[in-house]
Amino acid sequence: DQQVKQNSPSLSVQEGRISILNCDYTNSMFDYFLWYKKYPAEGPTFLISISSIKDKNEDGRFTVFLNKSAKHLSLHIVPSQPGDSAVYFCALYSNASKIIFGSGTRLSIQP
Amino acid sequence: DSGVTQTPKHLITATGQRVTLRCSPRSGDLSVYWYQQSLDQGLQFLIQYYNGEERAKGNILERFSAQQFPDLHSELNLSSLELGDSALYFCASSPYSGGPYNEQFFGPGTRLTVL
Repeated sequence: DQQVKQNSPSLSVQEGRISILNCDYTNSMFDYFLWYKKYPAEGPTFLISISSIKDKNEDGRFTVFLNKSAKHLSLHIVPSQPGDSAVYFCALYSNASKIIFGSGTRLSIQP
Repeated sequence: DSGVTQTPKHLITATGQRVTLRCSPRSGDLSVYWYQQSLDQGLQFLIQYYNGEERAKGNILERFSAQQFPDLHSELNLSSLELGDSALYFCASSPYSGGPYNEQFFGPGTRLTVL
């Protein structure tokens, strides 16, 4: 039973355009939602998070949107840059389940 | 460079053996988290320690144990190893006492191969 899904294993976006990464979940019990990015041969890097009481959080080029009724989380990167090419994981936290990660989406930024 | 160090980088061992993975957190960070990334299970949270005490527990097997020492470094002990334990093991640290929903800084990982 997968509680969190990243349905797109890969995404290709042109440099300068918007990248939108998506994450769907099945349970309403989560309190915090996070995004991490990971380069090959490195550990994940925290990007941005949002609590369940908010619907948007912005940090520079990164904005996370939370739609609780649709159980949907998204990360927008504007403008996309070559260094954004990486695997992106969404992660959901609750006191009961602790933290659960999605399977990841590989983002490729094309010049 | 996140400031979190993990040793060894690679470890190859046989089924049934026991290994110890070591993590040194960033200077000043009191929380240490352990994660496992395997091909079939993805990234999974194992356990968190804060200032020497267990703070949160995830999907950690009974064959695995961890501790955090007074100097704040942490060790993850894996025993009775099975082929399925082959994975990347990440350590992360943060200055916060709360659960793994805060910003964490990850080390480069230890790749464990069980033959």
